[in-house]
Amino acid sequence: GAVVSQHPSRVICKSGTSVKIECRSLDFQATTMFWYRQFPKQSLMLMATSNEGSKATYEQGVEKDKFLINHASLTLSTLTVTSAHPEDSSFYICSADWRQGPDTQYFGPGTRLTVL
Amino acid sequence: DAKTTQPTSMDCAEGRAANLPCNHSTISGNEYVYWYRQIHSQGPQYIIHGLKNNETNEMASLIITEDRKSSTLILPHATLRDTAVYYCIVRSSYDKVIFGPGTSLSVIP
Repeated sequence: GAVVSQHPSRVICKSGTSVKIECRSLDFQATTMFWYRQFPKQSLMLMATSNEGSKATYEQGVEKDKFLINHASLTLSTLTVTSAHPEDSSFYICSADWRQGPDTQYFGPGTRLTVL
Repeated sequence: DAKTTQPTSMDCAEGRAANLPCNHSTISGNEYVYWYRQIHSQGPQYIIHGLKNNETNEMASLIITEDRKSSTLILPHATLRDTAVYYCIVRSSYDKVIFGPGTSLSVIP
């Protein structure tokens, strides 16, 4: 099966600092990964599409300088929340594109970010 | 993307079948119906998908109407662990997944 991991699972940071979240496809290669954000009692909101070796494509309203995405290899994409503020506190979820299973999108377990 | 409408919430007695409806009246010919669920504080989990025929796997059954404008996800014997938010999504196979509000299913002992 296709397994996607995220690290860390939880992170607490001070306002103004930057936080990096990793998304890894453990047993397959993914040229495309996606990043979502989810606030309490809300649905997942797509933030950006991460393409290996090229710039990420951001959804409307998502600040690309605030949420830096790097997809340097076929198994790793990173999301860096720069100069984090309390309003950035959220549940961040990634998914990876793998076209050999019953579905094409496999989701990670999520990262809970709390900014104090 | 075609949009879907789902009830906000549903209850189901443990051991009974849970039938979750979804309307997708503007679905186009190359779009599939996908179902995912999200248990609290976890990542979404793929359940099943179909194009026009009914589908069944170890988790659930998917019934799609002949005109493809609506579908029903069936969990045959709901357990407490099936309590989750269920998302019905229509998309082409390689499209990104855009989530709506989903249906919050509560399985009651």
